[in-house]
Order: sequence, then structure tokens, then C-alpha cells
Amino acid sequence: QQQVKQSPQSLIVQKGGISIINCAYENTAFDYFPWYQQFPGKGPALLIAIRPDVSEKKEGRFTISFNKSAKQFSLHIMDSQPGDSATYFCAASISGNEKLTFGTGTRLTIIP
Amino acid sequence: DAGVIQSPRHEVTEMGQEVTLRCKPISGHDYLFWYRQTMMRGLELLIYFNNNVPIDDSGMPEDRFSAKMPNASFSTLKIQPSEPRDSAVYFCASSTNTDTQYFGPGTRLTVL
Repeated sequence: QQQVKQSPQSLIVQKGGISIINCAYENTAFDYFPWYQQFPGKGPALLIAIRPDVSEKKEGRFTISFNKSAKQFSLHIMDSQPGDSATYFCAASISGNEKLTFGTGTRLTIIP
Repeated sequence: DAGVIQSPRHEVTEMGQEVTLRCKPISGHDYLFWYRQTMMRGLELLIYFNNNVPIDDSGMPEDRFSAKMPNASFSTLKIQPSEPRDSAVYFCASSTNTDTQYFGPGTRLTVL
């Protein structure tokens, strides 16, 4: 199955808090897991990505945690800022196949 | 580079009319993707091309939709005849074989 399930659908976090978005997949052939960030009126843009040979990848305040046995991965945003307010999409693909399967998206709002 | 260019940015048309959306990928990218985004269905892949050849059109909703890529720097997505349920934001994205997809700003289509 190609589906990627994402939760929650929406999330409100106070400034300075930790935002956590979760995704789960079924297809064990997936081996590339990116997160895309989309601001209103813009196209999605790659934020951070991970491959299953590592369990965690950190870039600044953004961290992906990957659990291969559970077939789950999550995005953590530390010290969340109002500028992080956007819609976040997880995705998955198989190496050699450029087709990305996207999750349904999470609308994140950071309040002061 | 100017990034992925899409035109028009907004299109309002009446039911039954033909609609043509245009995309110019990033120079040197050999993959091109067409997506549709709605609140109900999220981000859906419609079709993608590799070296101007359609690879997977399984996401094209029905025969009213068609896509072409006559050369490496131009693609069109045509809807004929258009229906109100086609109203959505249509994104074009391009990539090389490095997994990252670069999205255009999208075309907001409204079919009355």
C-alpha cells in the first residue's frame, strides 16, 4: 500500500514550545522520507529529509525521528516560532522512483 | 535560477470551458510533476514525466484531463471540459534524480 498517514490535522503550539507531527507508512519499500513546508499562497518546499539508515536527523531547530520497526517517523520543531506557522507535509518514496506519496498535511499555528 | 514558473497564477472560468495550465521547470531538471491540492483531498500527484516522457498518469482523474511535455522546458495540463469540482490549486514541480522536488507557486483554478 502506498498510503502515508499523517497526524494531527491541525496543531496549535505556544511560542517557544515543541511542535510534533507524526507520520506512519505501510510500504516497507519506502526508503526516503522528506518533510515539506508550505506557506499560504506558496508551493511546498523541502524542509528536511531522512533515509532509514539513521534514526534521527537534525537541522537547526528541526529534527526528524525515524522508527523503522514501527514504520513511523516524526517531525519535531524545537523552540517553535510564529514564523514556523505553515502547513507541513510528510512524504515517502522508493529510491529510483521519483514519485512522492504525501501525507494529508498538518496546519501548524504558533501563538505568542 | 528563477525556479519553477507557472502561469497563469489565477484562472477563473465557466463550466464547460477548456483550461490550459502552463509550467516551465528549472533548467536541467529531467523530472516534471503535476499536483492538485484541495482541502478535501490534500496534495495529489496527477502525472509525472521523465525526459519529456509520461511515466505515471494513474492520478489523472479522468479523460477530461491531459498533460503534455513537448520539450524539456515546457509542460501543459489541460482540462476539457472543465467542471466546478476541478476547482483547486494546481502545482507543477521539477527535480533531478536527487529526490528533492521544487514546486512552483501554483495556479489557483476556479470553475464556476
